[in-house]
Amino acid sequence: AQKITQTQPGMFVQEKEAVTLDCTYDTSDPSYGLFWYKQPSSGEMIFLIYQGSYDQQNATEGRYSLNFQKARKSANLVISASQLGDSAMYFCAMREGSVGGTSYGKLTFGQGTILTVHP
Amino acid sequence: NAGVTQTPKFRVLKTGQSMTLLCAQDMNHEYMYWYRQDPGMGLRLIHYSVGEGTTAKGEVPDGYNVSRLKKQNFLLGLESAAPSQTSVYFCASSYSIGGGEQSQPQHFGDGTRLSIL
Repeated sequence: AQKITQTQPGMFVQEKEAVTLDCTYDTSDPSYGLFWYKQPSSGEMIFLIYQGSYDQQNATEGRYSLNFQKARKSANLVISASQLGDSAMYFCAMREGSVGGTSYGKLTFGQGTILTVHP
Repeated sequence: NAGVTQTPKFRVLKTGQSMTLLCAQDMNHEYMYWYRQDPGMGLRLIHYSVGEGTTAKGEVPDGYNVSRLKKQNFLLGLESAAPSQTSVYFCASSYSIGGGEQSQPQHFGDGTRLSIL
């Protein structure tokens, strides 16, 4: 079974508008962490934002915020005021057993969503 | 700030040839990982290491071997390359998990694009 699902292969957004990239996850571990990475066309993986399963508030990092709905097992990335430089592939990833667990920090990635920002 | 450095960046091999991909990190991270990225499949874990001298299998380990003789280096080997191993390979590293470091992300190298003909 897919542990991380990104159902949007591609998304388009107008410059300066907000966009939401979907991510749903599946785990029975009560302790886990969710990460979003950006991969521009140059290929490197850039860490954007983190949400812990026990965090009471949604994570925010500049123009990035995470809409974390634990009961629905979703962790959608919201990018506000989109810029042309936001055009990239975006990956959602999960780390299980983050609190004294034995996952050794391994990440499980979704398939990715390609975001294109139009001027 | 070097971070995670992968060599080489590109390589073309013939079926049956062998090669080693090198990953070096200068952040004193305990954990290191090798992933492969294929279209439509995200990144999949090949092997990982939780410390010098240790290695373990990930999701897709077949056809690969690894070694971590020094804390800062993690080598990925292909003994007999196959066309199915054509991919982009990423190395990553992170602090060991625990003691409030759960939010620490993995730091990635820039990737190695490998083609097997």
